[in-house]
Amino acid sequence: GNSVTQMEGPVTLSEEAFLTINCTYTATGYPSLFWYVQYPGEGLQLLLKATKADDKGSNKGFEATYRKETTSFHLEKGSVQVSDSAVYFCALSPHNTNAGKSTFGDGTTLTVKP
Amino acid sequence: DAGITQSPRHKVTETGTPVTLRCHQTENHRYMYWYRQDPGHGLRLIHYSYGVKDTDKGEVSDGYSVSRSKTEDFLLTLESATSSQTSVYFCAIEPGTGSSGANVLTFGAGSRLTVL
Repeated sequence: GNSVTQMEGPVTLSEEAFLTINCTYTATGYPSLFWYVQYPGEGLQLLLKATKADDKGSNKGFEATYRKETTSFHLEKGSVQVSDSAVYFCALSPHNTNAGKSTFGDGTTLTVKP
Repeated sequence: DAGITQSPRHKVTETGTPVTLRCHQTENHRYMYWYRQDPGHGLRLIHYSYGVKDTDKGEVSDGYSVSRSKTEDFLLTLESATSSQTSVYFCAIEPGTGSSGANVLTFGAGSRLTVL
């Protein structure tokens, strides 16, 4: 079956540090890949997505590239801010399947200190 | 900016009592979903709906039932709550295939349920 593995957290960084959160997946075919962010007390929000190999999703300074050869979709940001403190979820949705049936990773908690 | 609202946001109940959580949307989206979020498990799909009166089971449906009598409302019912159902429950909506914004989920703020 499909699975998503995220790097374990929590991750603690100082403001302006470089962020990488690793995500690898197992799936057949060509799934769509997503990163969601969950701020304290809120629901998940879509951060970025990519639908085919070598696509780069980007939003709010975050980027992730769909790497089929390594089955990865690592999240990066060049300079984090305190406001980026949140839980980040990687997810995959098989081709031609609704996003609601995505398989989610366990989440990685990021804390950014001033 | 709530196109999707969940109620109640917090509930404490006792084992064996029935509980109903409500998800209400104003976006007229076709698909609606209920998930539970537990530490170390990410989000797991409980039930989903692809239209009025059309529902199906997700991966962790045991002990839960759902109903969708109107496009805008999706109810999750625990007929007899157990302590293992203590969790945070999220509703999400998704437009129909081919619609603008298809394949994008919008989540509610969550309902925290504690079963004593």
